[in-house]
Amino acid sequence: GAGVSQTPSNKVTEKGKYVELRCDPISGHTALYWYRQSLGQGPEFLIYFQGTGAADDSGLPNDRFFAVRPEGSVSTLKIQRTERGDSAVYLCASSQDRDRGNTGELFFGEGSRLTVL
Amino acid sequence: AQKITQTQPGMFVQEKEAVTLDCTYDTSDQSYGLFWYKQPSSGEMIFLIYQGSYDEQNATEGRYSLNFQKARKSANLVISASQLGDSAMYFCAMGGNEKLTFGTGTRLTIIP
Repeated sequence: GAGVSQTPSNKVTEKGKYVELRCDPISGHTALYWYRQSLGQGPEFLIYFQGTGAADDSGLPNDRFFAVRPEGSVSTLKIQRTERGDSAVYLCASSQDRDRGNTGELFFGEGSRLTVL
Repeated sequence: AQKITQTQPGMFVQEKEAVTLDCTYDTSDQSYGLFWYKQPSSGEMIFLIYQGSYDEQNATEGRYSLNFQKARKSANLVISASQLGDSAMYFCAMGGNEKLTFGTGTRLTIIP
């Protein structure tokens, strides 16, 4: 598809379990972002990749959260020992190379809704 | 650090009227961008409009315009001739380097 694709769209898990959320960005976009959106809030930044490397992971809440982008395209957000407070919509976005003079607009996927019981 | 403030949690507007959604920001960056996104109930974030901090003219995109007042650090979104399909959450965001920082949003409801 032409847009950002996220899977699964919904994930229900039990407290303490491990979860992986996948993001397939727009083809050719070098930058990839993960955001978390809790109910009634705006998206909160988690981590940003430029190519394969994490350029900024300052938004990850703790060491239970980890993300990878091994080949510079698809990214996986990994959450260990999930807690009820991790329940939220996890949004992935991608953007073009900023050096090309674009605005830095982010193109978002539809999100993965995580519910931790 | 960057901060976005949206003080209107919810607004109700009659169809076909114009509406202004407020956004103020705070940053120490000299160069930055301001963005508005729409989030309908489906959850997807839809880009609406962009304003660069050095742009002298206010941005416009169809029925959307951005009232940029740099000295006041405000970037209000104006929607003209509102439609029922405009009912959604609206988020103001800003970016200085790479990542965007979002406000808490305004829920806009258009009344027929």
